[in-house]
Amino acid sequence: GEDVEQSLFLSVREGDSSVINCTYTDSSSTYLYWYKQEPGAGLQLLTYIFSNMDMKQDQRLTVLLNKKDKHLSLRIADTQTGDSAIYFCAESITGNTGKLIFGQGTTLQVKP
Amino acid sequence: NAGVTQTPKFQVLKTGQSMTLQCAQDMNHEYMSWYRQDPGMGLRLIHYSVGAGITDQGEVPNGYNVSRSTTEDFPLRLLSAAPSQTSVYFCASQPTRPGADTQYFGPGTRLTVL
Repeated sequence: GEDVEQSLFLSVREGDSSVINCTYTDSSSTYLYWYKQEPGAGLQLLTYIFSNMDMKQDQRLTVLLNKKDKHLSLRIADTQTGDSAIYFCAESITGNTGKLIFGQGTTLQVKP
Repeated sequence: NAGVTQTPKFQVLKTGQSMTLQCAQDMNHEYMSWYRQDPGMGLRLIHYSVGAGITDQGEVPNGYNVSRSTTEDFPLRLLSAAPSQTSVYFCASQPTRPGADTQYFGPGTRLTVL
């Protein structure tokens, strides 16, 4: 079945780069997403990548997709304390209207 | 635009009670969905709707009912609350089914069932 896995916790120092990893099982995924959730808030879409792309860059964010290994990563350059949050990876399934599969979320802690 | 609104923000129920979580969006989005978020489990899809009058089950539909009589509203009903339904519930909307369009999330309803 479909499954999305993430490591649960990452701690970095302010100014360093953060890399959050995600693996998925469904090779028919069309879009893969990264969401950010701050404490007590809903989810905010950060960026997404279409499954026929290898990389997407958006300001401090870089998404890398390895379709062969079904591995997705989110790199945050020059990480700031305001980046502390939970980051969710999600995939949408081809041909299945409206279904998003989420990972468990990675808590990013940024130390000053 | 108010975006996606959810009420109430917090709710405590006793086992066996019923209640309706409200969700509304003012963006004329066709697609709406309900998720529950539990620690260490990410978000799981409960029910979704691709338009007024059309609903379908997600990953964890048992114990929940939905209806979509208008484009704007998508209420989630708990008919007989159970402690296992203690969770944070998020409603989301999108112009079309998930793809390149942004999915907008509401602020969430934190539900505790005693």
